[in-house]
Amino acid sequence: EPEVTQTPSHQVTQMGQEVILRCVPISNHLYFYWYRQILGQKVEFLVSFYNNEISEKSEIFDDQFSVERPDGSNFTLKIRSTKLEDSAMYFCASRTGIGNTEAFFGQGTRLTVV
Amino acid sequence: QQQVKQSPQSLIVQKGGISIINCAYENTAFDYFPWYQQFPGKGPALLIAIRPDVSEKKEGRFTISFNKSAKQFSLHIMDSQPGDSATYFCAASTSGGATNKLIFGTGTLLAVQP
Repeated sequence: EPEVTQTPSHQVTQMGQEVILRCVPISNHLYFYWYRQILGQKVEFLVSFYNNEISEKSEIFDDQFSVERPDGSNFTLKIRSTKLEDSAMYFCASRTGIGNTEAFFGQGTRLTVV
Repeated sequence: QQQVKQSPQSLIVQKGGISIINCAYENTAFDYFPWYQQFPGKGPALLIAIRPDVSEKKEGRFTISFNKSAKQFSLHIMDSQPGDSATYFCAASTSGGATNKLIFGTGTLLAVQP
C-alpha cells in the first residue's frame, strides 16, 4: 500500500540552528501539506503546496519556515533558526487533489529543540 | 469561526461498550468531515468521513452521525475493543479551493478496558 514517508523520525537540534524535515509523498498525489502537533495538543495546519507553489499558509508559518519540492519526489520543510517553541511532531500529508479525497499522513518527525 | 470543538477530552469504555465522541463547528462552508485515528508515535489515519448531504454513515463498527442544522457531528464506536484504544480527532474542511486544509478538533483519548 502506498504511504507517505518522513525522515528523520526524530531530530534534536540546538536553538538557532536550521533543520530540514523531509517527506516523500505518494507518487501520484498533487497536493502536499505540513501539519504540526505540539505534544498533547491538536494537529495544526502549517502550509499547503500545489503546482510548485504555496497555496495557503497559516499564521504559524512565518518567515522562519519554507517549503520546497526540489526534485519532483521529495517535499521538505525548512526551519531557518529554530526556537524552543518549534518543538513538536511535524506531519507531512498528501492527497490526489480530486475533490475532497483522503489526506494520507506520514509517521511524523519529532523535532526537539534544546 | 475556523474552530472545530471536540469533546470529551478523554473517555474510558468497557470492552463491548459504545464509545461516543462529539464535535461541533461554526463555519457553514465546511463540507467534508473526516475522523482520524492516531496511535502513539504514529501519524493520523483516516477512519471514516462524511459529507453534509447525508445524516449518517456506517463502516463496520464505526458510525458518523451528522446534524447539519445543529452543526454537530459525532463518532460512535460500537462493540469497542481494546485495540480501539487511541486518540481520535474530528476534522473539517471545505472543498473547491486550492487547499482543502483540515481543521482538527482537540482530540479524544479513548481507553477501552478489557
